[in-house]
Amino acid sequence: AQSVTQPDIHITVSEGASLELRCNYSYGATPYLFWYVQSPGQGLQLLLKYFSGDTLVQGIKGFEAEFKRSQSSFNLRKPSVHWSDAAEYFCAVGAGGGSQGNLIFGKGTKLSVKP
Amino acid sequence: SAVISQKPSRDICQRGTSLTIQCQVDSQVTMMFWYRQQPGQSLTLIATANQGSEATYESGFVIDKFPISRPNLTFSTLTVSNMSPEDSSIYLCSVAMSGTGELFFGEGSRLTVL
Repeated sequence: AQSVTQPDIHITVSEGASLELRCNYSYGATPYLFWYVQSPGQGLQLLLKYFSGDTLVQGIKGFEAEFKRSQSSFNLRKPSVHWSDAAEYFCAVGAGGGSQGNLIFGKGTKLSVKP
Repeated sequence: SAVISQKPSRDICQRGTSLTIQCQVDSQVTMMFWYRQQPGQSLTLIATANQGSEATYESGFVIDKFPISRPNLTFSTLTVSNMSPEDSSIYLCSVAMSGTGELFFGEGSRLTVL
């Protein structure tokens, strides 16, 4: 069955420290992979996406993610976290194309940032 | 990208009543999607709403409980019928602007059922 696992429910990092949020997926076909961020009381904003090509993708707000097919992973990273990055982060996988809209989301990782 | 507006942003409702959530997009889109985010849970697709046809519901969701309208290419509504506390969730409207599967989301409608 198709699924997305985000092993970490809650992570706390100090401002300025590096960040890595883990995402593992199970998907039968070539996946389209996404990371979204949800700030309190807000909708979801797309951080970055991977469809094909270079396995290291750059997104907004200084985030990047690396697709590793052998590990079925798509981990999100940021070299230096800012207090404004505190939010909930969702990894998602989909088929794209004609199946667009039916994304499978992980349960999310809540990020807290210590001053 | 797309700007998606949802109303209401939040509401508190009584058990047994129904609530209609509106979703307005600033551009014409073929497909609109409704997701549910239960407390502490991930997002789950409820249905896909195409203009001019019946909505397509995912497993576990039925039209009698979640009737959807799609009168034109920029607007859709989702009704949560005969609500129970288990329906307390955030309901999100989303659209896909290209064939890449990337979704844009509204800010969500937080529903609390007492």
